[in-house]
Amino acid sequence: GESVGLHLPTLSVQEGDNSIINCAYSNSASDYFIWYKQESGKGPQFIIDIRSNMDKRQGQRVTVLLNKTVKHLSLQIAATQPGDSAVYFCAENKKDSSYKLIFGSGTRLLVRP
Amino acid sequence: DTEVTQTPKHLVMGMTNKKSLKCEQHMGHRAMYWYKQKAKKPPELMFVYSYEKLSINESVPSRFSPECPNSSLLNLHLHALQPEDSALYLCASSQVTGGLEAFFGQGTRLTVV
Repeated sequence: GESVGLHLPTLSVQEGDNSIINCAYSNSASDYFIWYKQESGKGPQFIIDIRSNMDKRQGQRVTVLLNKTVKHLSLQIAATQPGDSAVYFCAENKKDSSYKLIFGSGTRLLVRP
Repeated sequence: DTEVTQTPKHLVMGMTNKKSLKCEQHMGHRAMYWYKQKAKKPPELMFVYSYEKLSINESVPSRFSPECPNSSLLNLHLHALQPEDSALYLCASSQVTGGLEAFFGQGTRLTVV
């Protein structure tokens, strides 16, 4: 079936470096995407979203890029900090009988001091 | 206020017990969701309510019974659960279905013994 998946299950970066977390989706009908950060024992925290009519959106230290041609989504974190260590999920509003917010498999980001 | 409040934070229940999980939001969101998350897995959609009506049931067993008393509250009634139902149960809300700016609560950690 169609799903949202991630290329890298674990990403280890040096503090201060930039991080890039990737996500591939297969549902071309999806028109809205969200990145979430989930720390241990907590619920997913909204980071940034993007609609399919956009290629790029920037937030504070984070940028989301959307490439609809290859169905690829990425989250860039600038100057990665220890507090960024968490699992990151992308999610898409998959169109079925109605819209559903479906999560990808997640990437764990480890920040080395 | 972007807060979704879930109670209780932790719950241990026996297989013959009846319990309820509660979720509350005051963002004026008209879509509310229940997700189930097992360890090291992404959240899985269970139910979606739109304007207080159940719009999506992802083939969830009847031992899980959702209820939306009003636009701010969402309950999940539990009865005769199995140990494999132990998980983190997450509530979320968004402006409309499809997850637009969907925010999550911290979850209820449920253990079935």
